[in-house]
Amino acid sequence: AQSVAQPEDQVNVAEGNPLTVKCTYSVSGNPYLFWYVQYPNRGLQFLLKYITGDNLVKGSYGFEAEFNKSQTSFHLKKPSALVSDSALYFCAVSPYSSNTGKLIFGQGTTLQVKP
Amino acid sequence: EPEVTQTPSHQVTQMGQEVILRCVPISNHLYFYWYRQILGQKVEFLVSFYNNEISEKSEIFDDQFSVERPDGSNFTLKIRSTKLEDSAMYFCASSGTGSNMNTEAFFGQGTRLTVV
Repeated sequence: AQSVAQPEDQVNVAEGNPLTVKCTYSVSGNPYLFWYVQYPNRGLQFLLKYITGDNLVKGSYGFEAEFNKSQTSFHLKKPSALVSDSALYFCAVSPYSSNTGKLIFGQGTTLQVKP
Repeated sequence: EPEVTQTPSHQVTQMGQEVILRCVPISNHLYFYWYRQILGQKVEFLVSFYNNEISEKSEIFDDQFSVERPDGSNFTLKIRSTKLEDSAMYFCASSGTGSNMNTEAFFGQGTRLTVV
């Protein structure tokens, strides 16, 4: 079965420190991988995606993610966290080369950045 | 920047009533979707719509659900007879253009449906 796992319900970091939000996936073939962020009472905002090419992808707001095929992981990272980064982060995968909006989501990780 | 818009932002309905959730996808997108997020749970795919027909649906999308693109701009989700367990945030999304079918999905702000 195709799935996405985010092993941490919550990640706590101090402002200015690096952050990592973990994601692993189980999908046959070559997946398309995404990170979305959800602020309270808001919709899902796209952060970044991996389709092909360089394993390190850069996205919005200084976030980046590294695709690791051997570990089937796509961890989200940021070198220096901001309090305003506090939100709910979703990893998602599309197993399709077309219809890439059909997504399988992880359960989400709450990021709490403390001043 | 183009965006997906959803109305209403919050809908309260009595159990057994029909509801229609409305969405205006990004105008040049070709794929349209509905997702559901029950409070505290993950976002779940309901249905995708392409070329004026359902291209894929999940097990959740049973006969109580239907989708329609009535006028070339709106995309609606109808729940015929709502149940308490239909209470959730419903997200509309769109993706894919004629020149690039592999775009990321853009999501609307969501409609919070409360069934009482």
